Amino acid sequence: RKEVEQDPGPFNVPEGATVAFNCTYSNSASQSFFWYRQDCRKEPKLLMSVYSSGNEDGRFTAQLNRASQYISLLIRDSKLSDSATYLCVVNPSNAGNNRKLIWGLGTSLAVNP
Amino acid sequence: NAGVTQTPKFQVLKTGQSMTLQCAQDMNHEYMSWYRQDPGMGLRLIHYSVGAGITDQGEVPNGYNVSRSTTEDFPLRLLSAAPSQTSVYFCASSYRGSTNEKLFFGSGTQLSVL
Repeated sequence: RKEVEQDPGPFNVPEGATVAFNCTYSNSASQSFFWYRQDCRKEPKLLMSVYSSGNEDGRFTAQLNRASQYISLLIRDSKLSDSATYLCVVNPSNAGNNRKLIWGLGTSLAVNP
Repeated sequence: NAGVTQTPKFQVLKTGQSMTLQCAQDMNHEYMSWYRQDPGMGLRLIHYSVGAGITDQGEVPNGYNVSRSTTEDFPLRLLSAAPSQTSVYFCASSYRGSTNEKLFFGSGTQLSVL
């Protein structure tokens, strides 16, 4: 099992739709989780951190399910500008540093007019 | 505020050539790092630095050297380019190296080694 796995997609959705991505991780001791967004041929940018209690930022909601070892990202009311690749990032150890980050391959989202 | 600046954006090398990818940040970040991104692989850490004068190896350091003489600059040197080093390279920085800190990335360098 890969350390971090994502459905590569692509997810094709119409504007206004709600779409959800999951990301599974193999190390149950993982402590920190993130979603980054990467536009085509651009650099990754932090979208949001994922907290145990879940967190929301506007149209975006992130959840953590430790029992099943996955994190999720929900996008409501999709916009054309949400089209991008969404990278799941996990710190697999207790080490409090980002040198240990494991990056998923990403889930591609295309929002269509 | 420029953030993290990488140069060049594109580079083509012949096998055996050497070159330096430049990375500079103006945010006074202590932590800087280099990643490579390849199809079918997640971002992989090449080298990192937690401050001026301190560098260490990441997951895939072979064939690359780094130095950190100033807080602002963190160049990546390819000693003798190989086709396996064809990739997109990203420099990233953060205030420290702690896990919950946001990584700021440069715009990337697309490198082809023929």
